[in-house]
Amino acid sequence: NAGVTQTPKFRVLKTGQSMTLLCAQDMNHEYMYWYRQDPGMGLRLIHYSVGEGTTAKGEVPDGYNVSRLKKQNFLLGLESAAPSQTSVYFCASSYVGRQNSYTFGSGTRLTVV
Amino acid sequence: EDQVTQSPEALRLQEGESSSLNCSYTVSGLRGLFWYRQDPGKGPEFLFTLYSAGEEKEKERLKATLTKKESFLHITAPKPEDSATYLCAVSGAAGNKLTFGGGTRVLVKP
Repeated sequence: NAGVTQTPKFRVLKTGQSMTLLCAQDMNHEYMYWYRQDPGMGLRLIHYSVGEGTTAKGEVPDGYNVSRLKKQNFLLGLESAAPSQTSVYFCASSYVGRQNSYTFGSGTRLTVV
Repeated sequence: EDQVTQSPEALRLQEGESSSLNCSYTVSGLRGLFWYRQDPGKGPEFLFTLYSAGEEKEKERLKATLTKKESFLHITAPKPEDSATYLCAVSGAAGNKLTFGGGTRVLVKP
């Protein structure tokens, strides 16, 4: 099915470990985003990309890095995981243009112990 | 900085009991206001985009309206399957990024 695919769906990390979350979209969208969702905080933008090879910081970028080497993929990296990074991570993508509604993936639930 | 505040945080309704959700926003140069539905364990699903004050959009039992300072999502004669978290977001002049509110959790009891 067309859409946004996130892997893995669940992960438990120990403090200090590293990992990469993968987001893939098959809709030829230019823009891609990584959000985190925490109870009472809503969705907060971590990083985003407006095209292949470009990335930019969002509202809460500290502790995360991203890469967009291919148009269809957007990777989110945690170099040294901390308990404060326990969250549900959502990837989204969109077309450029006026009706910039996002298509979201189903999320990655990450727990850092 | 764009800001979005949703109220109430939670809403419990009886089936058929109509109600409204509020989304207040401050944004520099509104490009669009968006409503999403999110079911537990899933990503948000797009419902509506509103672009200018006075605009209205409808989908089944849902109707979204927009003023210069807030948006309302009206749920008419809700059914249990309307139970979900409803998210409001804005896109401002800064670019193609959405700023989300905290959401309203709606529970419709049969």
